[in-house]
Amino acid sequence: TQLLEQSPQFLSIQEGENLTVYCNSSSVFSSLQWYRQEPGEGPVLLVTVVTGGEVKKLKRLTFQFGDARKDSSLHITAAQPGDTGLYLCAGAKGSNYKLTFGKGTLLTVNP
Amino acid sequence: DVKVTQSSRYLVKRTGEKVFLECVQDMDHENMFWYRQDPGLGLRLIYFSYDVKMKEKGDIPEGYSVSREKKERFSLILESASTNQTSMYLCASSLLQGLLSDTQYFGPGTRLTVL
Repeated sequence: TQLLEQSPQFLSIQEGENLTVYCNSSSVFSSLQWYRQEPGEGPVLLVTVVTGGEVKKLKRLTFQFGDARKDSSLHITAAQPGDTGLYLCAGAKGSNYKLTFGKGTLLTVNP
Repeated sequence: DVKVTQSSRYLVKRTGEKVFLECVQDMDHENMFWYRQDPGLGLRLIYFSYDVKMKEKGDIPEGYSVSREKKERFSLILESASTNQTSMYLCASSLLQGLLSDTQYFGPGTRLTVL
């Protein structure tokens, strides 16, 4: 059973466009993280959201945690080719340090 | 900066061989993890360790074992490699259990091909 569903699976856009990636679950998570993975590298943490309804901004990236802590979204404004990569959401439950990962959204930003 | 290193970026082995994948972290982290990453399946946890000589099974431990004799080193062992173990293997470490905002730091991965 896939606890975290990410959509879309693939996204190819032009430089300057906006986009939103979704991470949904029927389960409640105590925290949710977003990672970005570039080709040939391991994932790197972008942000952690902990509180329901929380919004965090990282330059052109905006992350939101759903009120019920079951879902999250990542919005990128004016995408650039450097944003290309695999975006992974990962959820933690309680004090369990294990993470459950979504399958990822592969973003390609064309110049 | 935290650094997680993996012994090989690419590895080719034959069916039935015993395979060792090594991972070393330099930040005194308690927790270490082994994942495999496959297209369409995402990251799946194989094993993790929360202390020296301590280990717990993840979601897909079958066909794998692990060893953690020193805090900084976590090894993944394929006792008898099979073609369905061809995959990208990622090692990660994190500082403390129980922290809601605990970050996992990943190595660059080992792409293992079993022929």
